[in-house]
Amino acid sequence: AQSVAQPEDQVNVAEGNPLTVKCTYSVSGNPYLFWYVQYPNRGLQFLLKYITGDNLVKGSYGFEAEFNKSQTSFHLKKPSALVSDSALYFCAVSLGRLYFGRGTQLTVWP
Amino acid sequence: KAGVTQTPRYLIKTRGQQVTLSCSPISGHRSVSWYQQTPGQGLQFLFEYFSETQRNKGNFPGRFSGRQFSNSRSEMNVSTLELGDSALYLCASNFLQTAGGQETQYFGPGTRLLVL
Repeated sequence: AQSVAQPEDQVNVAEGNPLTVKCTYSVSGNPYLFWYVQYPNRGLQFLLKYITGDNLVKGSYGFEAEFNKSQTSFHLKKPSALVSDSALYFCAVSLGRLYFGRGTQLTVWP
Repeated sequence: KAGVTQTPRYLIKTRGQQVTLSCSPISGHRSVSWYQQTPGQGLQFLFEYFSETQRNKGNFPGRFSGRQFSNSRSEMNVSTLELGDSALYLCASNFLQTAGGQETQYFGPGTRLLVL
């Protein structure tokens, strides 16, 4: 069965520090992986996706994600966090439909 | 291009009533997916429509139904509402050139339904 895990419910980081939001997946075949962000009372906004090719994917707002096939991970990263990055982040795998992780609440402290 | 539009944005209903939610996808997109988001269950897939046909369906009871019109607009209906149906209902728009294609889904702002 397909599944996505986000092992941390919350991530707290100081502004200016690097951030990582973790995601691991379990799918049969080649995974198509996505990151979305949700701000309060808003829908999901697309950040980036991995389909094939370079393992380091760059996305919106300075975010990037590293695909690691051997560790079945797709961690979201940003070199320098901003307070405005505080939001709920979802990892998802696409297999005809999106399977989402439970979400990770990122809080960036000033 | 305009984004995904969902109406209404907020809705309050009572148990036993029914509700219809509407979604207009991005112009040119022919696939619409619906998701339910709750604090307890997270994001759960309801169904997907492509060219007026339901292509995929999640694990929800038959009280949840949907349809898609020739202009790609979609509606979902929930009959005999229960308290547990209180959720944010999200619609996603997808170009979907080929079956099983991995195009990106773009989400609307959602409709927040409260069942009393």
